[in-house]
Amino acid sequence: QSALTQPPSASGSPGQSVTISCTGTSSDVGAYNHVSWYQEHPGKAPKLMIYEVTNRPSGVPDRFFGSKSGNMASLTVSGLQAEDEADYYCSSYAGSNNVVFGGGTKLTVL
Amino acid sequence: QLQLQESGPGLVKPSETLSLTCTVSGGSISSSFYYWGWIRQPPGKGLEWIASVFYSGNTYYNPSLKSRVTMSVDTFNNQFSLKLTSVTAADTAVYYCARRKNCSGASCYWYFDLWGRGTLVTVSS
Repeated sequence: QSALTQPPSASGSPGQSVTISCTGTSSDVGAYNHVSWYQEHPGKAPKLMIYEVTNRPSGVPDRFFGSKSGNMASLTVSGLQAEDEADYYCSSYAGSNNVVFGGGTKLTVL
Repeated sequence: QLQLQESGPGLVKPSETLSLTCTVSGGSISSSFYYWGWIRQPPGKGLEWIASVFYSGNTYYNPSLKSRVTMSVDTFNNQFSLKLTSVTAADTAVYYCARRKNCSGASCYWYFDLWGRGTLVTVSS
């Protein structure tokens, strides 16, 4: 069982918005603003989409938005596009140089 | 453009040692700006951070795997490696190598900004 809890699946139609949750504890997500999100397409290297809760690396569309409240972080993808269909993983610093991940969410664009 | 590439046996027998290497191309592993790490994903499960190493050899290990893991760095060949001992079927996974920014002053960075494509390692007799 993964340290962070994500829904196994999420879906939305093109143009819609979808939010993926990531639930941790007061020792990881709730304790640090070091939540990141990764996108993984089959057979490809995972790609960093959000870091430090809300920041987007250069090249990531502003349709991707990260947020956090208490022990739960969220990734919202607005204006869904077919290319957004992928697996998404959250991650958080958990103290003592330890990083934990979520179990992943498969996003389907209907 | 810096790239990471994992390599190693795709099949390891139970109780033996899993050994993987990550080759860094397009840049130097001997950068003070980055740590280099391993992350794995068992089939149908989530990601798990294994360990990270600095070019000087300083390492951090996942507490749950620490007793079985060793990471090392080879600056001459621009590579870093993972050894996982006494493997079982539970160690079957896709193993990724990845890069993380080093701390700068009082700021530390706990995300992986560059990943390899991963290599599947199956533990089976």
